[in-house]
Amino acid sequence: AQTVTQSQPEMSVQEAETVTLSCTYDTSESDYYLFWYKQPPSRQMILVIRQEAYKQQNATENRFSVNFQKAAKSFSLKISDSQLGDAAMYFCAYRSRIQGAQKLVFGQGTRLTINP
Amino acid sequence: GAGVSQSPRYKVAKRGQDVALRCDPISGHVSLFWYQQALGQGPEFLTYFQNEAQLDKSGLPSDRFFAERPEGSVSTLKIQRTQQEDSAVYLCASREEQGGAEAFFGQGTRLTVV
Repeated sequence: AQTVTQSQPEMSVQEAETVTLSCTYDTSESDYYLFWYKQPPSRQMILVIRQEAYKQQNATENRFSVNFQKAAKSFSLKISDSQLGDAAMYFCAYRSRIQGAQKLVFGQGTRLTINP
Repeated sequence: GAGVSQSPRYKVAKRGQDVALRCDPISGHVSLFWYQQALGQGPEFLTYFQNEAQLDKSGLPSDRFFAERPEGSVSTLKIQRTQQEDSAVYLCASREEQGGAEAFFGQGTRLTVV
């Protein structure tokens, strides 16, 4: 079974600076998706960024980018120019691409605080 | 609808009471998922539907948990004889197609069993 580990329960960063959230995962599969989700106090999970394992190029979405190291099974999220609205819980998640394996497997989350 | 809608947003149940949680997915979304999120934890998978068929219920913690999606749209998660350990946020998510990548989440139902 796949597992996802986020080793940083809490992180904080000064507004406008850069922060990196760590995620490692364990799988024997070669093709899969990896995601970062943001969960504000409203509880709704919002997709931040997605990476497909067969793509070597790291995904980017505006101020958000990932460092995907497939061999090391590492998938970190970098947030540049941090804004107050970035404060939330961040979850790393894995999904297999095997037919029938549809569920997301989440890590424990990292609480990100932005200091003004 | 514009997004995934869940009701109620908050539910307080006495231990032993039955509860029903509702999920309205995005119109036309084939796949629907239920997750359970304990306080301070990441969500954990409960069950998955493709249209009206429940294809995976491996995450349901006991036979007190039951989910249905009879017409392939709205889904209900039912918990019988609630216990304190059932207190959690229950999240519903839907996805456009089976192979589609992005799942859209509702705001969840926070269940508190007293």
